[in-house]
Amino acid sequence: NAGVTQTPKFQVLKTGQSMTLQCAQDMNHNSMYWYRQDPGMGLRLIYYSASEGTTDKGEVPNGYNVSRLNKREFSLRLESAAPSQTSVYFCASSVTEDSGNTIYFGEGSWLTVV
Amino acid sequence: GNSVTQMEGPVTLSEEAFLTINCTYTATGYPSLFWYVQYPGEGLQLLLKATKADDKGSNKGFEATYRKETTSFHLEKGSVQVSDSAVYFCALRYSSASKIIFGSGTRLSIRP
Repeated sequence: NAGVTQTPKFQVLKTGQSMTLQCAQDMNHNSMYWYRQDPGMGLRLIYYSASEGTTDKGEVPNGYNVSRLNKREFSLRLESAAPSQTSVYFCASSVTEDSGNTIYFGEGSWLTVV
Repeated sequence: GNSVTQMEGPVTLSEEAFLTINCTYTATGYPSLFWYVQYPGEGLQLLLKATKADDKGSNKGFEATYRKETTSFHLEKGSVQVSDSAVYFCALRYSSASKIIFGSGTRLSIRP
């Protein structure tokens, strides 16, 4: 049961470098999400995709872009990394955006920007 | 606006103690409520959920009841184990939106 798979698990970037976090789910879910987790702040939504072909901003979208490549894959791109983007990033998915649907999370990607 | 407030940690208990982690919410409409658990180095896993008022979610000995009158969803367990040591997140998800709002998390440590 792969569920939600994200790569890489760890990455160190220099300020100004770019990188893409990859995410794929094998549960045939329509909705996918990217969150960041910072100490004492819980999880904050960066971007989400309610269904294939659509993307929308969450609470903290600045400095990020996303691509919903197909139903399975949802990538997060940092065009010019900044130290403030040091965080743990989680990809997630759910069947639909209905409120009762469970959101399933990947194992996280630890990103450090120096 | 919509928000979730949960008990600040860390919480340290002895094995077999009774656990309560408080969670209250502010929301318009009728959200669904969730408890997620995060073990060290892992992603969040759903622990339990309730989708309407007076529903009780339960799993692995944990319980939480959706109380609309007090806007609360407190997590309880009658006898904790060392393996329950983790960070617990209360969350709400409201209709007509994809967003799920998380509390800041409560770190629980159980000593043998």
